[in-house]
Amino acid sequence: DGGITQSPKYLFRKEGQNVTLSCEQNLNHDAMYWYRQDPGQGLRLIYYSQIVNDFQKGDIAEGYSVSREKKESFPLTVTSAQKNPTAFYLCASKSHPYNEQFFGPGTRLTVL
Amino acid sequence: AQTVTQSQPEMSVQEAETVTLSCTYDTSESDYYLFWYKQPPSRQMILVIRQEAYKQQNATENRFSVNFQKAAKSFSLKISDSQLGDAAMYFCAYRRQDSGTYKYIFGTGTRLKVLA
Repeated sequence: DGGITQSPKYLFRKEGQNVTLSCEQNLNHDAMYWYRQDPGQGLRLIYYSQIVNDFQKGDIAEGYSVSREKKESFPLTVTSAQKNPTAFYLCASKSHPYNEQFFGPGTRLTVL
Repeated sequence: AQTVTQSQPEMSVQEAETVTLSCTYDTSESDYYLFWYKQPPSRQMILVIRQEAYKQQNATENRFSVNFQKAAKSFSLKISDSQLGDAAMYFCAYRRQDSGTYKYIFGTGTRLKVLA
């Protein structure tokens, strides 16, 4: 079945470490997005990519980095510069000309 | 700047009854899309319904329908014959165009409880 996968489901990180969250889609979608979800704040856009080898910062990009070397993959790295990384992270993709996003199951990151 | 406001942090509804979740948004665009997403306890985001702003007719999907008031910038979701499985967080979202790309603005969500 086509869909979006995120791994791991739960991730624990020590302070000062970088961690990478995986997002893979086999929907042949061009655009991919990373969101952060905190209680009471809805979803906030971290980074997005419209095509391979191109990506743009969203509203809260500081402390995060991404790459888009393949159409299917859009990994997110949470760096040690991110001051408060504990959150739920959602990856989404979108296909032109459709308008809605499809979401992965998410990754819960906890900093110990 | 576009914003999306959900003024009801939490709502409750009796099973089989009808409930309406509110959403207002702010935009200067004339053509745009609006969405309602459901996030159950599994935290998987599921599209419930979409509305194109240029369409006068309100969107419906089975027990889910919207009341789209473009002039008032209001986009409420009505759930009829509520079921226990409808219990979830519901997010209203607006799609905006930004330098040739599409971004989505989400509200803060409404937690819906369904009472048996």
